[in-house]
Amino acid sequence: QTVVTQEPSFSVSPGGTVTLTCALSSGSVFSSHYPSWYQQSPGQVPRTLIYATNIRSSGVPGRFSGSILGNKAALTIAGAQVDDESDYYCALYMGHGISIFGGGTKLTVL
Amino acid sequence: QVQLVESGGGVVQPGRSLRLACAASGFSVKDFAVHWVRQRPGKGLEWVAGIRDDSSNIYYADSVKGRFTISRDTSMNTVSLHLSSPTVDDTAVYYCARHRDQGIYCFDSWGQGTLVAVSS
Repeated sequence: QTVVTQEPSFSVSPGGTVTLTCALSSGSVFSSHYPSWYQQSPGQVPRTLIYATNIRSSGVPGRFSGSILGNKAALTIAGAQVDDESDYYCALYMGHGISIFGGGTKLTVL
Repeated sequence: QVQLVESGGGVVQPGRSLRLACAASGFSVKDFAVHWVRQRPGKGLEWVAGIRDDSSNIYYADSVKGRFTISRDTSMNTVSLHLSSPTVDDTAVYYCARHRDQGIYCFDSWGQGTLVAVSS
């Protein structure tokens, strides 16, 4: 069974930079997995941040960026703000219509 | 403006069936794939099922295959998810989401979710 793994939690100071990662149990993450990232604040609907590795969704601030770092997908927040405190989920496209979400990273900004 | 509105959630007894509906507006379900994603209480997102724009392909997660059925009604511009014989483990908020295919492969719009509680 394929599993997508994210850091369970991360902490960053306001104004700081943080990189969250997304790993695939079966091997490396490639751009052909079309990594996407979603932000979910408590009690809210998921919001699409990044798709196809590094394309920001409409209205997403420039401090959010996506990339492939080594064998993982990565989401970097540069100049984190208090409002960025949320859960972050990555999703990888596995083909044949199937996507797998990571377990999510709870980001604390303090 | 793209909008997705789920309905049909509620309390259901184990073994009883339930049908969730996702009403789409601002786009046609004939032009975009629509998927269901669920979130168990206090847990992460889990992809459940999807139907392509041309309905030529339907996809299910292993956890629901054989128990859930996704379908669509193009005249009503809706996508449904039929939960057959749900178990307590199916208790979750169910979101429908528009899925972009063709080299993008992401969920770009989400509904507000509908809560399904399986309980005797």
